Amino acid sequence: GAVVSQHPSWVICKSGTSVKIECRSLDFQATTMFWYRQFPKKSLMLMATSNEGSKATYEQGVEKDKFLINHASLTLSTLTVTSAHPEDSSFYICSATGLAVEETQYFGPGTRLLVL
Amino acid sequence: SQQGEEDPQALSIQEGENATMNCSYKTSINNLQWYRQNSGRGLVHLILIRSNEREKHSGRLRVTLDTSKKSSSLLITASRAADTASYFCATDNLYIPTFGRGTSLIVHP
Repeated sequence: GAVVSQHPSWVICKSGTSVKIECRSLDFQATTMFWYRQFPKKSLMLMATSNEGSKATYEQGVEKDKFLINHASLTLSTLTVTSAHPEDSSFYICSATGLAVEETQYFGPGTRLLVL
Repeated sequence: SQQGEEDPQALSIQEGENATMNCSYKTSINNLQWYRQNSGRGLVHLILIRSNEREKHSGRLRVTLDTSKKSSSLLITASRAADTASYFCATDNLYIPTFGRGTSLIVHP
């Protein structure tokens, strides 16, 4: 199957700093990427949908100024958690889909963020 | 909002037994997908079943879909300890999957 990578896999940061997470589709062009957040033992919560070259569409309750999403190319989307606080600590997962894999989401391995 | 709801929330079985998980949803769908997630890891796509399909197989996995009852089931036959994971169903709306809470499966060796 198609491969999606995330970097970093683990990040620990101080409160007030910003953290950037990258999501890359390695072997297909991802016209759409999704960002999810998952709390311990909980389901995935869709944060935003990102289409290449356009602004991300955020789900209700997700602060767009807090979680900046950029999808500048067909293989890369970034999520920046700005001025991170301990309550932002979570597991962030991206997924990607494209014309070649249109009905299937391919997920990245996730990034665990811990804000101290 | 969550569309799919898995049942049971947790399942504990012995290796070799079959595991059945159910998923119910609320609105009409184009397709339904099952995913697996090992602890602390991303999701792995298992199987997709379209709204006009009733049953689908993939290795030891069997998925059924009953659109009249708005429900799906995932059967894992001859389970192995390595099947221990959380399993999620996701229903789609315009290709955006909405996940249920998941079923935590533990297979004891």
